[in-house]
Amino acid sequence: KNEVEQSPQNLTAQEGEFITINCSYSVGISALHWLQQHPGGGIVSLFMLSSGKKKHGRLIATINIQEKHSSLHITASHPRDSAVYICAVRDNFGNEKLTFGTGTRLTIIP
Amino acid sequence: DAGVIQSPRHEVTEMGQEVTLRCKPISGHNSLFWYRQTMMRGLELLIYFNNNVPIDDSGMPEDRFSAKMPNASFSTLKIQPSEPRDSAVYFCASGLLGPTRNTEAFFGQGTRLTVV
Repeated sequence: KNEVEQSPQNLTAQEGEFITINCSYSVGISALHWLQQHPGGGIVSLFMLSSGKKKHGRLIATINIQEKHSSLHITASHPRDSAVYICAVRDNFGNEKLTFGTGTRLTIIP
Repeated sequence: DAGVIQSPRHEVTEMGQEVTLRCKPISGHNSLFWYRQTMMRGLELLIYFNNNVPIDDSGMPEDRFSAKMPNASFSTLKIQPSEPRDSAVYFCASGLLGPTRNTEAFFGQGTRLTVV
């Protein structure tokens, strides 16, 4: 079973700061997802990646397959970025199961 | 498309009662997932379907839980009898299983279940 660890568990920052959230996993994967869950509870898929880097607006996700590590970056952070960010990995074993990290709670202070 | 639609959004029931959660996936998606989220355990996969067929139900906690997908546009998760420890938010997600086996996941808004 893949073990997924996220750090930090909680992060508070000032508006405008550059944010980095990290995710490590223990065994090979076919894909990694970054999800965002707002206080209202809904979950939105931000990125799905299996190599390299993806960018969407102020969000950037990178993955290093050799090091089994991914990072989510937020540039020019804004209070509306406050949410829980969850990393999830899909195994290499030919199924669609996702194993989830415990999430990083991000709070951006105006 | 309206996205993945779950109902009800909130459910409060007494211990021992049957609970049925419903999900309508995004039209055209061929995979559907049921997840449970609790404070203690975070998000966990319960079961997923591909082309309406259950592929992996190893996450279903016990026989009190059952899930069906009678057609491509509807799925149910049933708990009978319900227990207080089943209280959680249950999410349904759908996706498109492609040749690369990488599926973007689209989540519903969740059903918050409280068993008293």
